[in-house]
Amino acid sequence: EPEVTQTPSHQVTQMGQEVILRCVPISNHLYFYWYRQILGQKVEFLVSFYNNEISEKSEIFDDQFSVERPDGSNFTLKIRSTKLEDSAMYFCATIPDSYNEQFFGPGTRLTVL
Amino acid sequence: GIQVEQSPPDLILQEGANSTLRCNFSDSVNNLQWFHQNPWGQLINLFYIPSGTKQNGRLSATTVATERYSLLYISSSQTTDSGVYFCAVDNYGQNFVFGPGTRLSVLP
Repeated sequence: EPEVTQTPSHQVTQMGQEVILRCVPISNHLYFYWYRQILGQKVEFLVSFYNNEISEKSEIFDDQFSVERPDGSNFTLKIRSTKLEDSAMYFCATIPDSYNEQFFGPGTRLTVL
Repeated sequence: GIQVEQSPPDLILQEGANSTLRCNFSDSVNNLQWFHQNPWGQLINLFYIPSGTKQNGRLSATTVATERYSLLYISSSQTTDSGVYFCAVDNYGQNFVFGPGTRLSVLP
């Protein structure tokens, strides 16, 4: 069964550094999402992406965040200058078309020191 | 935006017991999914159930969309069922709103 993959599984970085989290969606899926879960809290929506542009973003997704699909396969989330409070689990999710089941990747645990 | 509540927040069971987890949502939805978050933090999709009833082994789920709630049933619980169970809904906005979760502990 096809699945969403994410790399790395765990990333440790120093405050102020840039990080790029990568997701490989299921092929032929059209909608892509990033979610964040701070330890012990609920999962929160960050951004959705369709047709090579952001379709919706939450207030969490400020100017330090960006997303892109650089090569038609990977879907990336970049955090330009990490803060301590960016430490969280980041999940990528994809769906084949609108109003459908979301398939989640295994997550990337980001630790900012 | 849509609000999602889950109850109970915490549940402790003896192995072999049955349980019912509830998810209430404040508006109509086109998608509802139940997830189990395992000890490694991964979200395991249990059910895609915007309406109706589904069963998968010891787990089953029912969503009554007109009354804005969903139930997850776990029968003959095992220690491996421990973890946090999340309900997530999409009310035609394409992104999910997650509930706060129910933390289940199954004791041997």
